[in-house]
Amino acid sequence: GAVVSQHPSWVICKSGTSVKIECRSLDFQATTMFWYRQFPKQSLMLMATSNEGSKATYEQGVEKDKFLINHASLTLSTLTVTSAHPEDSSFYICSARGRAGATYEQYFGPGTRLTVT
Amino acid sequence: DQQVKQNSPSLSVQEGRISILNCDYTNSMFDYFLWYKKYPAEGPTFLISISSIKDKNEDGRFTVFLNKSAKHLSLHIVPSQPGDSAVYFCAASAHSGAGSYQLTFGKGTKLSVIP
Repeated sequence: GAVVSQHPSWVICKSGTSVKIECRSLDFQATTMFWYRQFPKQSLMLMATSNEGSKATYEQGVEKDKFLINHASLTLSTLTVTSAHPEDSSFYICSARGRAGATYEQYFGPGTRLTVT
Repeated sequence: DQQVKQNSPSLSVQEGRISILNCDYTNSMFDYFLWYKKYPAEGPTFLISISSIKDKNEDGRFTVFLNKSAKHLSLHIVPSQPGDSAVYFCAASAHSGAGSYQLTFGKGTKLSVIP
C-alpha cells in the first residue's frame, strides 16, 4: 500500500515553455501533498505544501507564479513549471500524506527529472 | 541555517559488518524523526522512524537510536548487505499548529557496502 506515482518520469523542454508534472496517490487518499526539489548531491528542499481543495503554501524563496500547484482531488496534485529556464532543471519529487494512519510519514513518488534546454 | 545535519557525506562498510549513519539536529521542537533510503533517480523510501518519547526503535536489521539531550540520532544496519548501498536521508518533523507535518531533511549519507 501507500504507492505514489509521478508522471512523467523525465522531460526535456525548451526554455520559455511550461511543463506539468502529475503526482498521484494510487491506493490512499492524500489530504496533504508536498513538492520537493533536489539538486545534485543536495538534500530535498521543500517547495510547497498543498491541501486538497485549498491554495498551496509556498516555502520562502519559491516563486508561486512560476511553480503553480493544484491539488484538485484527494489523489492528484500537479506542479506546473511556467516559462521554464535552464536553472529550473532539477529532480522534482512529490510526496503524500494520507487521511488516516501515520500522521508523520510521507510516501514519496519516484521523481521527475526536468531538463530545460 | 541547516536544522538537520548529516556530517558524513559518504560511508563505506564491508558486507556483514555494522553500518552506523549519524544525524544531528538543532531545532528542539522536532519530535519525530525518520530515515529514508534513496536510490539514484528514484524517490525516497521510508525506512524507519522514532518518536521523541522513545530512545530506540528496531525493525529487523535496522535500529534507530535517539539521544534527545545531545540532539543526535543514528541508524544502525546490521548485518550490512550490498543491497543496502544507497543514499540515506535523516528527516525531522515538528508538530506545527497548521498540522502540515513538514519534514526537514539532512543532506544525506551515501552508504557503500563492499561485498
